[in-house]
Amino acid sequence: DAKTTQPTSMDCAEGRAANLPCNHSTISGNEYVYWYRQIHSQGPQYIIHGLKNNETNEMASLIITEDRKSSTLILPHATLRDTAVYYCIVRVGKNSGGSNYKLTFGKGTLLTVNP
Amino acid sequence: DTAVSQTPKYLVTQMGNDKSIKCEQNLGHDTMYWYKQDSKKFLKIMFSYNNKELIINETVPNRFSPKSPDKAHLNLHINSLELGDSAVYFCASSRSGLAGAVTGELFFGEGSRLTVL
Repeated sequence: DAKTTQPTSMDCAEGRAANLPCNHSTISGNEYVYWYRQIHSQGPQYIIHGLKNNETNEMASLIITEDRKSSTLILPHATLRDTAVYYCIVRVGKNSGGSNYKLTFGKGTLLTVNP
Repeated sequence: DTAVSQTPKYLVTQMGNDKSIKCEQNLGHDTMYWYKQDSKKFLKIMFSYNNKELIINETVPNRFSPKSPDKAHLNLHINSLELGDSAVYFCASSRSGLAGAVTGELFFGEGSRLTVL
């Protein structure tokens, strides 16, 4: 799986949009971009994933650049409960021909939402 | 209803003891995982089972023995506990671990914090 690079930490004001960047310059054509988060003392939680197109769900939006070498997770209106470590992960997807769906977590970005 | 549940949530034990952590999922998934998160917060996969068959073993010491009696359960037994085994162990499940799965996102339990004294 391709390696990702994320800032160690970021701050965001409550109610504002939080934009979390991720670089994955060695991503392959069949690799998806996944985002998870881990709130303190809890298990990681799936947020969103995408391949080429931008994606949006009830939690966040995922913007993937045209060359797919980087992406941004957007939390449109951050709340205090969004304070967590956010992990950007790239891995092969459903047509991987035998993928074992191993998710490799990096260090992630600690997002702190301030009142 | 808890989707992925682990027991116990906390476990404190002495070096050399043997202990088990249990995991159950009620999501109907056929792939389950054990991850270890150490004191530096790195989250590393240990094992993965698909339909009760071991498909990932990430060079974990053989003191760790996972057992999957059925698709909904994946237990972790640890023999001769060492100080370095102290960590939070997370169980997870997904719809399928093999080619053909729709999305593959993992659902994690709340973790079991193991402290070895």
